[in-house]
Amino acid sequence: QSVLTQPPSASGTPGQRVTISCSGGSSNVGRDNVYWYQQLPGTAPKLLIFNDNRRPSGVPDRFSGSKSGTSASLAISGLRSDDEADYYCVAWDDTLSGYVFGSGTTVTVL
Amino acid sequence: EVQVVESGGGLVQPGGSLRLSCAASGFTFSSYWMHWVRQVPGKGLVWVSRINRDGSTITYADSVKGRFTISRDNAKNTLYLQMHSLRAEDTAVYYCVADAFGPNDYWGQGTLVTVSS
Repeated sequence: QSVLTQPPSASGTPGQRVTISCSGGSSNVGRDNVYWYQQLPGTAPKLLIFNDNRRPSGVPDRFSGSKSGTSASLAISGLRSDDEADYYCVAWDDTLSGYVFGSGTTVTVL
Repeated sequence: EVQVVESGGGLVQPGGSLRLSCAASGFTFSSYWMHWVRQVPGKGLVWVSRINRDGSTITYADSVKGRFTISRDNAKNTLYLQMHSLRAEDTAVYYCVADAFGPNDYWGQGTLVTVSS
């Protein structure tokens, strides 16, 4: 059971906006930065969002991150077929003294 | 071109040992914190360990503490993960990651460790 809780799945049609939640606690999301990764099938994860809401160079602005209290969210706007992937949130946990990943959310484009 | 290449995975019996290596090139290895992240095939990502630039600060996940040892050789641009007392639940693809969670993180392709009799 992951320390960070994500819905197992999310879906949308092309062009729609999809939001993925990441619920944590005061020792992780509520205290430190949240990061989001995208993992396409058979590939290594790719960083989409760092420090709650910043995008690395090259990541389209269709991807955005936000955080409020002990919950964070990743939004994908203008959904595309190549956005079908697993998405993971991750944060440092002060109690565990380590990074904790969410359980992952599989996004399906209908 | 940045390259992060893991090696050393394979089949090992429960209770056995294995050492993973990660060869880095194309960036200044000694300037980066390095991490190991693992993933059971078909399951989620799990952070395993990290080491700072000069090896003086090391952190482990509780699940591997006391069994795994992370180390680095900056002269050889190589990261290591020595694994002892391996269990079936350690079976996973192990990824080497440079500057994980930073805007310029680099991931390897992973090496599969299978613990089974």
